[in-house]
Amino acid sequence: SQKIEQNSEALNIQEGKTATLTCNYTNYSPAYLQWYRQDPGRGPVFLLLIRENEKEKRKERLKVTFDTTLKQSLFHITASQPADSATYLCALDYRGGGNKLTFGTGTQLKVEL
Amino acid sequence: ETGVTQSPTHLIKTRGQQVTLRCSSQSGHNTVSWYQQALGQGPQFIFQYYREEENGRGNFPPRFSGLQFPNYSSELNVNALELDDSALYLCASSLQQGANYGYTFGSGTRLTVV
Repeated sequence: SQKIEQNSEALNIQEGKTATLTCNYTNYSPAYLQWYRQDPGRGPVFLLLIRENEKEKRKERLKVTFDTTLKQSLFHITASQPADSATYLCALDYRGGGNKLTFGTGTQLKVEL
Repeated sequence: ETGVTQSPTHLIKTRGQQVTLRCSSQSGHNTVSWYQQALGQGPQFIFQYYREEENGRGNFPPRFSGLQFPNYSSELNVNALELDDSALYLCASSLQQGANYGYTFGSGTRLTVV
């Protein structure tokens, strides 16, 4: 069955450093991959979408890579700030999967002063 | 431009009861998806509606049902509530069906079944 794995342990980094979060998937042939941010008690907020034929996407301090050979996406936040502290979710659109997004369990990021 | 609005924000129900959750989609969005998120987990897809028709369903039993109205707002109904139904229920709207557009999520309804 399809499986999405994100770092289950929280990631703690210092302010100003680059945070890198990993999303690995198996038994998928996704057409798209999306990243969301979720704060406690709130719904996810859409950040970036990358298509299978794109290697990299950037938006301000955010960068996403998508390697369909490794079945992996990396999500980078450069010059991280305490306000970036949140849970980050990756989600895949499974080709033929009934127009649904399948989410990973998320990685909690904490940016410390 | 308003976002996605869900009501109520919190709800406590007794096992065996029925519940209806409501969602107003973002202006201009014609597709609504519902997700269930247990504590510490990612959202799990329940179903999606496009132009008032169900357009994809996840691994949830038939006691989970929904509706989409002509104004694209939506309802999620759950019958015969079980303790395991306790979760955050999220509604997400998007411009088109499929996941090639980012979803706009509401803040969710926290359902507790006792």
